[in-house]
Amino acid sequence: KNQVEQSPQSLIILEGKNCTLQCNYTVSPFSNLRWYKQDTGRGPVSLTIMTFSENTKSNGRYTATLDADTKQSSLHITASQLSDSASYICVVSSGNNRLAFGKGNQVVVIP
Amino acid sequence: DSGVTQTPKHLITATGQRVTLRCSPRSGDLSVYWYQQSLDQGLQFLIQYYNGEERAKGNILERFSAQQFPDLHSELNLSSLELGDSALYFCASSTRTQETQYFGPGTRLLVL
Repeated sequence: KNQVEQSPQSLIILEGKNCTLQCNYTVSPFSNLRWYKQDTGRGPVSLTIMTFSENTKSNGRYTATLDADTKQSSLHITASQLSDSASYICVVSSGNNRLAFGKGNQVVVIP
Repeated sequence: DSGVTQTPKHLITATGQRVTLRCSPRSGDLSVYWYQQSLDQGLQFLIQYYNGEERAKGNILERFSAQQFPDLHSELNLSSLELGDSALYFCASSTRTQETQYFGPGTRLLVL
């Protein structure tokens, strides 16, 4: 069983609308959680990184939340743009240099 | 542009062959990571080096090996290639292990 589960696997949203992506993890011990954006055929780009004590972090129209008690994180995209079409990957780091990757949320923004 | 460079961009080879992928990290970054991404899989962590030494190992096959040189560039060697090794191979670098990773553009490997 994957230690990082993301949902939904894929979604289609209208340009200008908001959406929320979910990441549930079982990784322990926990060090930090990162969200990456990966355009098709390109390398992932870091959006946010949060440690245990951080509940929310924003990067422009992207806002990530973290509930370390329930081991859940979300990535909220506000006022989506066509350029937001990408795969969003949740990565959880444990204290022993281990990284666990989710399979990604595939987002398609349509005009 | 992340500052991480990878060569070659594309590689086509035959089963049984051996290839070497090269990565130059961002200036000042000591950590280098290698990942494999197949069409039906997410990013799979292969191996990490920190300042020339192996730091962490993921799902790396015995046919694969890597090293990081004194100038901090890294090479990933893939041998006895199989069709299933066709994938995008990414290199990433960071200043320290728990810091944000910056990914290169990837090498697309096609094994025929």
